[in-house]
Amino acid sequence: GDSVTQMEGPVTLSEEAFLTINCTYTATGYPSLFWYVQYPGEGLQLLLKATKADDKGSNKGFEATYRKETTSFHLEKGSVQVSDSAVYFCALPMNTGGFKTIFGAGTRLFVKA
Amino acid sequence: DGGITQSPKYLFRKEGQNVTLSCEQNLNHDAMYWYRQDPGQGLRLIYYSQIVNDFQKGDIAEGYSVSREKKESFPLTVTSAQKNPTAFYLCASSAGAGGNYGYTFGSGTRLTVV
Repeated sequence: GDSVTQMEGPVTLSEEAFLTINCTYTATGYPSLFWYVQYPGEGLQLLLKATKADDKGSNKGFEATYRKETTSFHLEKGSVQVSDSAVYFCALPMNTGGFKTIFGAGTRLFVKA
Repeated sequence: DGGITQSPKYLFRKEGQNVTLSCEQNLNHDAMYWYRQDPGQGLRLIYYSQIVNDFQKGDIAEGYSVSREKKESFPLTVTSAQKNPTAFYLCASSAGAGGNYGYTFGSGTRLTVV
């Protein structure tokens, strides 16, 4: 069945370091892929998305490329800030009309000043 | 500004009590959802509603109930049949099928059994 696997956290980085959070998926068809971010005590916010193979989603300095050949959608940022400390979720809509989505377990990021 | 409002932010429930979590949106979205989040886990779908007066069970509907009498509102009742209700509850909405368009989430209600 469909699934999403994210790298386990927490990830701890110093400010201005390069960030990669891995996400791989198993899916039937060619779904859109999403990254959401959750700041402490808040709900999730849509960070970026890609709708087809080789698409690159980007927002707030974050990027992720939809790689069909490796079934991956890794999140990257060239230079993280303390304000990027949050939990990041990779998400895969199920091939059941789009009303159900599989969320990864989340990866917590700590950025030190 | 449009958005989703969840209330209360914190809720305490005694054993055997039913409690209702409120979710209101002014985004004119057709679809609304309730998710449960436990520490270190992803989100799990409780119920969703595609249109007014219609809703479907998600993956963990047992012990929960919902109604969708108005487009703007999708309250969740946690009944006494839910044996482990302590969790963070998130309401979301989407213009169409949220998995394809993306969700807008509320800021959550943290429910604790005392």
